[in-house]
Amino acid sequence: KAGVTQTPRYLIKTRGQQVTLSCSPISGHRSVSWYQQTPGQGLQFLFEYFSETQRNKGNFPGRFSGRQFSNSRSEMNVSTLELGDSALYLCASSIGQGAYEQYFGPGTRLTVT
Amino acid sequence: AQSVTQPDIHITVSEGASLELRCNYSYGATPYLFWYVQSPGQGLQLLLKYFSGDTLVQGIKGFEAEFKRSQSSFNLRKPSVHWSDAAEYFCAVGPRGAQKLVFGQGTRLTINP
Repeated sequence: KAGVTQTPRYLIKTRGQQVTLSCSPISGHRSVSWYQQTPGQGLQFLFEYFSETQRNKGNFPGRFSGRQFSNSRSEMNVSTLELGDSALYLCASSIGQGAYEQYFGPGTRLTVT
Repeated sequence: AQSVTQPDIHITVSEGASLELRCNYSYGATPYLFWYVQSPGQGLQLLLKYFSGDTLVQGIKGFEAEFKRSQSSFNLRKPSVHWSDAAEYFCAVGPRGAQKLVFGQGTRLTINP
């Protein structure tokens, strides 16, 4: 079974631009979560989607948004990019909510200049 | 507030030696508990998980962890490390019913030949 895939793997953007990252979960998985990883703040939860609905949201500004499609694929969008948004963005999928482990993708490395 | 503490930022052990990585958590109720490993430039790989039942859980690559409710700890152990175990290790907790993990700051493991 293919793992979680994320595209693109690397991205360079300029301050003020917006960016969209994509995540395809493991086949059969219906829950997708997003995390931001930075050297200073570590791994932080962004949001979780299940059955196309946002179920949980982390403590991030409204510039960070996401959505999930009927095939469980998910996208996250960051508008008006700031230098501090430079990070590794990780997507994780699980079968559902509850006692299920999350499987992570390789991440998208976003650099904002 | 929920939090995870990994007291050791960096640990160095000799190949063949035993290993214990510490993890303490602060949570309102018994959460789900996880250990993940991350190699440079990679996503996170699940080593093991605890949902309920036997407090000693076995994972992949010869790792095990023990949940101690009285100490709010979930320490990771391996009897004999291999050079390929060099990586960063993250302890994480998650609420029952949601795919929203809180991570520790990570412990970087270096293996001496």
